[in-house]
Amino acid sequence: DTAVSQTPKYLVTQMGNDKSIKCEQNLGHDTMYWYKQDSKKFLKIMFSYNNKELIINETVPNRFSPKSPDKAHLNLHINSLELGDSAVYFCASSHRGRQTGELFFGEGSRLTVL
Amino acid sequence: SQQGEEDPQALSIQEGENATMNCSYKTSINNLQWYRQNSGRGLVHLILIRSNEREKHSGRLRVTLDTSKKSSSLLITASRAADTASYFCATVDLGNTGKLIFGQGTTLQVKP
Repeated sequence: DTAVSQTPKYLVTQMGNDKSIKCEQNLGHDTMYWYKQDSKKFLKIMFSYNNKELIINETVPNRFSPKSPDKAHLNLHINSLELGDSAVYFCASSHRGRQTGELFFGEGSRLTVL
Repeated sequence: SQQGEEDPQALSIQEGENATMNCSYKTSINNLQWYRQNSGRGLVHLILIRSNEREKHSGRLRVTLDTSKKSSSLLITASRAADTASYFCATVDLGNTGKLIFGQGTTLQVKP
């Protein structure tokens, strides 16, 4: 009965490769997010989708492309991986209608680029 | 841009003691939230305080908010070893884009 689930949990790959991380939430929320947490634990928002519409797109290289096939899923595809992409990527969801902004996070996907 | 600055960055206390963490932010906010992150895990929401509130309690947690100083504090009373984690404050801006901006966190170690 996991609320926000991400796969894979760990991802090790070579520079230049393309990889995807998947996220699904079963909370009935209408908004989903991708956050990046660096080695110093700093969390930075990357994208947000509300009902499959992109509503937040921070300054992220266009090698990163989110896709939301429906409001319960938000995937992140990364092209031409670079060393600096190594981080933990967190998916989160919320119910925007409540306007409180409380987020429910997945367990994270640790990406290591060699 | 980073919104919150947390202080201290690291805190080590004995079980049973109280732990206080502080957070400062830069812009006007709709609300401020505190999250906990256990090592290797995702963040878990602890408590939310609205901009028109000054203090809020939840179990052993007490949060204060001073909007004039743009600061908040999280107090954990009677700490337990299981409270060992990183604690983050996060703010939702007045524009209510839904964007939650996090501070850099305080790493708390509670020694048994």
